[in-house]
Amino acid sequence: QQQVKQSPQSLIVQKGGISIINCAYENTAFDYFPWYQQFPGKGPALLIAIRPDVSEKKEGRFTISFNKSAKQFSLHIMDSQPGDSATYFCAASRTGRRALTFGSGTRLQVQP
Amino acid sequence: DVKVTQSSRYLVKRTGEKVFLECVQDMDHENMFWYRQDPGLGLRLIYFSYDVKMKEKGDIPEGYSVSREKKERFSLILESASTNQTSMYLCASSFLTGGGEKLFFGSGTQLSVL
Repeated sequence: QQQVKQSPQSLIVQKGGISIINCAYENTAFDYFPWYQQFPGKGPALLIAIRPDVSEKKEGRFTISFNKSAKQFSLHIMDSQPGDSATYFCAASRTGRRALTFGSGTRLQVQP
Repeated sequence: DVKVTQSSRYLVKRTGEKVFLECVQDMDHENMFWYRQDPGLGLRLIYFSYDVKMKEKGDIPEGYSVSREKKERFSLILESASTNQTSMYLCASSFLTGGGEKLFFGSGTQLSVL
């Protein structure tokens, strides 16, 4: 059972455009939703995270939008740059459980 | 900077061999994890450990075991490697932030079982 569903599997965006990656979760006990970024040959690294008491969190060009009633959250990358080309994973966890449940990943290519 | 070091970047083993994947972290984190990464499946949790000699099964523990004898070291063991265990294996350690657990990953071990 896939508890965190991520889409699309791959995404091609022109430089300067907006990249949008979506995730949906099933477990209503989840209360922490991070996004991880992975470059080729490297392990994933925390990019940005949100808790469900807010609907949006912004850090620079990266924004998480959170819809608790729909059990969905998304990552928006504004003014996408070729250096943003990477694989992005959404994840979720609940208080008291240390491990994260990850989505299937989105490979983003930003074309110059 | 937190450093999580995995002993091998690439590993080739034969079916039936016993395989050890080693991971060391240098930040005194209590929690350590083993995930495997497969295209289209994302990262799936194999095992994690929240203290020395303590372990918990993740979502796909079958065919794997782990060992944590020292706080900084977490080993993944494939008792009898099979071809369906060919994958990228990622080790991580974590600490609890104000929001939730922040994971630090190693660069991964690409294991091929022939």
